[in-house]
Amino acid sequence: NAGVMQNPRHLVRRRGQEARLRCSPMKGHSHVYWYRQLPEEGLKFMVYLQKENIIDESGMPKERFSAEFPKEGPSILRIQQVVRGDSAAYFCASSLSGTAGDTQYFGPGTRLTVL
Amino acid sequence: AQSVTQPDIHITVSEGASLELRCNYSYGATPYLFWYVQSPGQGLQLLLKYFSGDTLVQGIKGFEAEFKRSQSSFNLRKPSVHWSDAAEYFCAVGARGSYIPTFGRGTSLIVHP
Repeated sequence: NAGVMQNPRHLVRRRGQEARLRCSPMKGHSHVYWYRQLPEEGLKFMVYLQKENIIDESGMPKERFSAEFPKEGPSILRIQQVVRGDSAAYFCASSLSGTAGDTQYFGPGTRLTVL
Repeated sequence: AQSVTQPDIHITVSEGASLELRCNYSYGATPYLFWYVQSPGQGLQLLLKYFSGDTLVQGIKGFEAEFKRSQSSFNLRKPSVHWSDAAEYFCAVGARGSYIPTFGRGTSLIVHP
């Protein structure tokens, strides 16, 4: 009865490199959400995806960031040409229905450090 | 748009003492309300949520929260804290019709033996 899985748990990149963060939702869940958490701050919504579709990307920077959730395989958050300000914990959550108030189940996060 | 405030950044209690973590929200109607707990290096785990009905909500690990419309609050309580409760606690508010909750900045709970 696996929960939401994220990998890698820790990722170190040098400025200018690419970061790829993966998220496998809970079994049966087709709605995935990505959040970013900076130190001593709450979670900030980035993007909401349903299988093969981006539903809401209003919280995601327009440049360098992209997300996908293919028909097969995990959801991927991709950050191109990383900068030091991208260092943060990135959390993925999944839900069953995507309706308002639906419980979101969180993964353990990926901690990205940009040198 | 909705917003949520957790006025206490850190709370320190002794093991066995009672606990109350404050959460105030701003929203024009009755929102969805959530409390999550985050242990160090881990993701968020849902403690409890309020949608409608009984304003006193029971959650996991012995936690409860009370929705007070007149005070726009949803405070989290536990009668007797255990050392394992030391963690970061997040309150979140969701607007009716929105699938994205807004999170507070969190309250760090420190438990002294």
